[in-house]
Amino acid sequence: KAGVTQTPRYLIKTRGQQVTLSCSPISGHRSVSWYQQTPGQGLQFLFEYFSETQRNKGNFPGRFSGRQFSNSRSEMNVSTLELGDSALYLCASSRAGGNEEKLFFGSGTQLSVL
Amino acid sequence: AQSVTQPDIHITVSEGASLELRCNYSYGATPYLFWYVQSPGQGLQLLLKYFSGDTLVQGIKGFEAEFKRSQSSFNLRKPSVHWSDAAEYFCAVTTAGGYQKVTFGIGTKLQVIP
Repeated sequence: KAGVTQTPRYLIKTRGQQVTLSCSPISGHRSVSWYQQTPGQGLQFLFEYFSETQRNKGNFPGRFSGRQFSNSRSEMNVSTLELGDSALYLCASSRAGGNEEKLFFGSGTQLSVL
Repeated sequence: AQSVTQPDIHITVSEGASLELRCNYSYGATPYLFWYVQSPGQGLQLLLKYFSGDTLVQGIKGFEAEFKRSQSSFNLRKPSVHWSDAAEYFCAVTTAGGYQKVTFGIGTKLQVIP
């Protein structure tokens, strides 16, 4: 069974640009959540999607958005990039997104904003 | 709001020595508690979780954790560390019911010396 797949693995962008990251969950998993990981802040919750609906959202500005497709694949978009957006972006999937469920993480997309 | 504190950012232990990583949480209701491990360049992998019942939980790779409600702690332990245990360890908390909105600690980076 394939794990959670995130693409691309690395991205380099400049300030003001926008970026789209992709996440394919484990087959049969319908919940996808996104986290931003930085050395000083640890993992910060961005949002969670289930059946194409955003159910939970963290405390990030509106520049951060996401969506989920009917096949459960998810994308997140960051517009008007800032230097502080440089981070490892992790996607995690689970069957139904219940709080008792184990999260399966992808290897992440390392975003560098210059 | 729920929070997780991992007071040790870096820990160095000798191979074969015992290990204890500290985690304190703050949450009014009964928490769901997790420990995840992240190897370099990888996503996070679940080591163990606690919901209720026996306060000593066993996980993978020989790890265990003890839930102490009176101290709001969920410390991770291993009796004998192997060089392959060098990684970053994250404690996480979420709530009973509801959907994935997991709060992670800032992480403890473990270095193992021969």
